[in-house]
Amino acid sequence: QVQLQESGPGLVKPSETLSLTCAVSGFSISTGHYWGWIRQPPGKGLEWIGSLYHSGNTYYNPSLKSRITVSVDTSKNQFSLKLHSVTAADTAVYYCARGGYANPGGWFDPWGQGILVTVSS
Amino acid sequence: EIVLTQSPGTLSLSPGERATLSCRASQSVSSRYLAWYQQKVGQAPRLIMYGTSTRATGIPDRFSGSESGTDFTLTISRLEPEDFAVYYCQQYATSPWTFGQGTKLEIK
Repeated sequence: QVQLQESGPGLVKPSETLSLTCAVSGFSISTGHYWGWIRQPPGKGLEWIGSLYHSGNTYYNPSLKSRITVSVDTSKNQFSLKLHSVTAADTAVYYCARGGYANPGGWFDPWGQGILVTVSS
Repeated sequence: EIVLTQSPGTLSLSPGERATLSCRASQSVSSRYLAWYQQKVGQAPRLIMYGTSTRATGIPDRFSGSESGTDFTLTISRLEPEDFAVYYCQQYATSPWTFGQGTKLEIK
C-alpha cells in the first residue's frame, strides 16, 4: 500500500524558505511515476505547485516557478520542496502526491495527509 | 492556463437523491485528462474518477462521469451519508495542471 507523509516546520518567517519533505513508503519512487506537490490555503481550493521524476526532470507552475526548487532522493525514497521568499499568501496546507505514470500530466493518487505551514513572524 | 469553473458552488440534497456536479473548462480538454476528487473536512483529497469516467479503486458504481465538449459532469446516483463533501475537478491535459474551485455537497 502506497503511503506518503509530509514533514517539515509548521511555521516559517516571511522572506525565509519553506522546506518540506515527502517520505514515500510501500512503493519505489523510481518506478516510473511523477511525484507532485499541491497546496491549499485555508478555506480555499487546490493549487498545483510542481512535479518531478526520479531522474530529476521537473515541472513547475509558472506562477511559482521563480521561487520553487523540487528535488528527489531515491536512496531515501523521498522528495522535497523548497519555496523561497515566502509571504503570508504562502500559508497553506501542503500535500504531496503520486502523479502520472511516465507522463508529467496525470491525476494525483494517493495523497499524503498534508501539513499546515503558516508564514508569520 | 486552463481555467475550470465548477457549478454550483454549493449543492444541498438529501440522502437517496441524485447529485449532478458540473465542471466547465475554458478551453478544450480531452476527456482522457480530467479527474475528480472528493475532500472531506480535515482530510486530503481522494481520487474519485480519472479519464473523465473511470472510477478509481474502491469507488462505488453510484459515481459516474461524463463529458460533452468542454463540460464535464460527475453524477452520484443515490447519495449516501458519506458522499457529502467538497468535490474538485482537475485537468492534466496542459501544464499548469489546474483544479476547479470546488462544489460543496451538503445535506439538506
